[in-house]
Amino acid sequence: QVQLQESGPGLVKPSETLSLTCTVSGGSVSSGSYYWSWIRQPPGRGLEWIGYISHSGSTNYKSSLKSRVTISLDTSKNQFSLKLSSVTAADTAVYYCARGVFSGRYEARLDVWGQGTTVTV
Amino acid sequence: QSALTQPASVSGSPGQSITISCTGTTSDVGSYNYVSWYQQHPGKAPKLMIYDVSERPSGVSNRFSGSKSGNTASLTISGLQVEDEADYYCSSYTGSSPHVLFGGGTKLTVL
Repeated sequence: QVQLQESGPGLVKPSETLSLTCTVSGGSVSSGSYYWSWIRQPPGRGLEWIGYISHSGSTNYKSSLKSRVTISLDTSKNQFSLKLSSVTAADTAVYYCARGVFSGRYEARLDVWGQGTTVTV
Repeated sequence: QSALTQPASVSGSPGQSITISCTGTTSDVGSYNYVSWYQQHPGKAPKLMIYDVSERPSGVSNRFSGSKSGNTASLTISGLQVEDEADYYCSSYTGSSPHVLFGGGTKLTVL
């Protein structure tokens, strides 16, 4: 059974870079059927899609965050990571990593989620 | 990209049925059958409840069902139970990058 676990600092200073890692167990980030995603949820608010990376390393980011976001893959450690630069208080949120499932070439669903990690700016 | 539109809240009594709507456009819900629904209890991670409009993952109760008409998708929960009280989010593939949209979420209260 695939499990995802987020890790990283819970407190980041304004203007610095938020860095989180998602460790995947029970499955491989190299599988071609999946995309590896980051989603966040500000306090008391809804889910916000950040972006994803596929097994081949191609990325897709929410347009409003594109200039500050980098998602990368480390196949040797079976991990993927999120970096968000120049953070402000508006970036305070619970950050989730999740496995997405491709249906053909379409990003179809998020079927496995990490438990989430709270980041305060 | 605009978020999909969901009602802020719905409520129902145990045993009743409720439906949560998710309205998009011809660029997302109306053109693709990649609508999914997620349940989120307070302090917990979201859980996939419905995918591909009406498919249920293994282990999800058949009290949960999904449908779509035009630009609007719907999640129906029948035989409401107290443990169904949670936030529900819809999501859809969209033709424009980054290809994923979420709804704003609906709080379900079981009275």
